[in-house]
Amino acid sequence: DVKVTQSSRYLVKRTGEKVFLECVQDMDHENMFWYRQDPGLGLRLIYFSYDVKMKEKGDIPEGYSVSREKKERFSLILESASTNQTSMYLCASSLFGAGGADGELFFGEGSRLTVL
Amino acid sequence: QKEVEQNSGPLSVPEGAIASLNCTYSDRGSQSFFWYRQYSGKSPELIMSIYSNGDKEDGRFTAQLNKASQYVSLLIRDSQPSDSATYLCAVRHTGKLIFGQGTTLQVKP
Repeated sequence: DVKVTQSSRYLVKRTGEKVFLECVQDMDHENMFWYRQDPGLGLRLIYFSYDVKMKEKGDIPEGYSVSREKKERFSLILESASTNQTSMYLCASSLFGAGGADGELFFGEGSRLTVL
Repeated sequence: QKEVEQNSGPLSVPEGAIASLNCTYSDRGSQSFFWYRQYSGKSPELIMSIYSNGDKEDGRFTAQLNKASQYVSLLIRDSQPSDSATYLCAVRHTGKLIFGQGTTLQVKP
């Protein structure tokens, strides 16, 4: 079975803290993505990666960075968390490219981050 | 103007009825269109893809695409309470998937 695992389902952090969100996939997919999901705004792409050590900015990269040192792992980093980064963060992977040849992204269960 | 727009709903239909979900997109050059379903507290999952004008059927689901009018729709026939979820329209644009904000569907027994 396809599996995308996000390390933390729920996190509570304080403003200014550094936050790491980890994502691991076991499907040998080249492509990995970080989205955030907010009510009324849908899913918005933060960063994506097509290969190890490669990263591309999505639509809302400000305040975030990413790391992909191994093919199966894609980390999202909030250098200094702020309250407007309170959100649900979804990691996804795909086989053929952004959305895959057939548009199929495999999502993790999500990490709900609250920044106080 | 948002790139992909959906009515957030909720759309409420009785069990057994046809649910019609709509989506419009702004980039006329978009080629690939997808519908994802997201149950409350769960992650999105792909249910339909469509690339050509017209209809594509898969069981109780039919996706419809009209590129001239820049809209894509999803019909769910014989709606069941288990279809209650948020349906996300996604459009491939410049190598990325752009999602709409989703339409919440409630199917009432």
